[in-house]
Amino acid sequence: AQSVAQPEDQVNVAEGNPLTVKCTYSVSGNPYLFWYVQYPNRGLQFLLKYITGDNLVKGSYGFEAEFNKSQTSFHLKKPSALVSDSALYFCAVRVLTSGTYKYIFGTGTRLKVLA
Amino acid sequence: GAVVSQHPSRVICKSGTSVKIECRSLDFQATTMFWYRQFPKQSLMLMATSNEGSKATYEQGVEKDKFLINHASLTLSTLTVTSAHPEDSSFYICSARPGSFQETQYFGPGTRLLVL
Repeated sequence: AQSVAQPEDQVNVAEGNPLTVKCTYSVSGNPYLFWYVQYPNRGLQFLLKYITGDNLVKGSYGFEAEFNKSQTSFHLKKPSALVSDSALYFCAVRVLTSGTYKYIFGTGTRLKVLA
Repeated sequence: GAVVSQHPSRVICKSGTSVKIECRSLDFQATTMFWYRQFPKQSLMLMATSNEGSKATYEQGVEKDKFLINHASLTLSTLTVTSAHPEDSSFYICSARPGSFQETQYFGPGTRLLVL
């Protein structure tokens, strides 16, 4: 079955330190991978995506993600965390089901950046 | 660009009434829109895929007669929760895709429904 896993429910990091939010996937074919961020009582905001090409993808707000095919991972990273980065982060993969492209979302990881 | 709006942002209704939620793509045409439901501290659950001018495709376990979806134009899709009950209380989020070959979905801000 095609799936996305975010193994950590919560990640705590001190402000100014690098952060990593983990994501692994299981899909057939070449994966289209996405990261979204959700602030309280808000919809999801697009951060970045990997379709093809360079394994290191740069996105919004200084975030980047590294696609690793051998490890089937797409971890989200930022060199220096801000308190304002505290939010819920979702990894997603696009799959083709019954002729329609859909997203499968991970369970989300809550990032808490401590001042 | 790629802005999606939802209305209302929050709605409280009595059990048994129907509630309509609108999803609009403000600066692009969306051939496909998606409706998700999110429970507290949980991930998004896809409810249905809405294609302009055709019937929505519902995910397994989602009642078609309970959650009516209409995608009458390339910029508007509506979700109507019919005869709402307290267990329908949730956060409903729509998303839109600019074109059939576009990979990225853009999400609305969500609608919080509370059924008393």
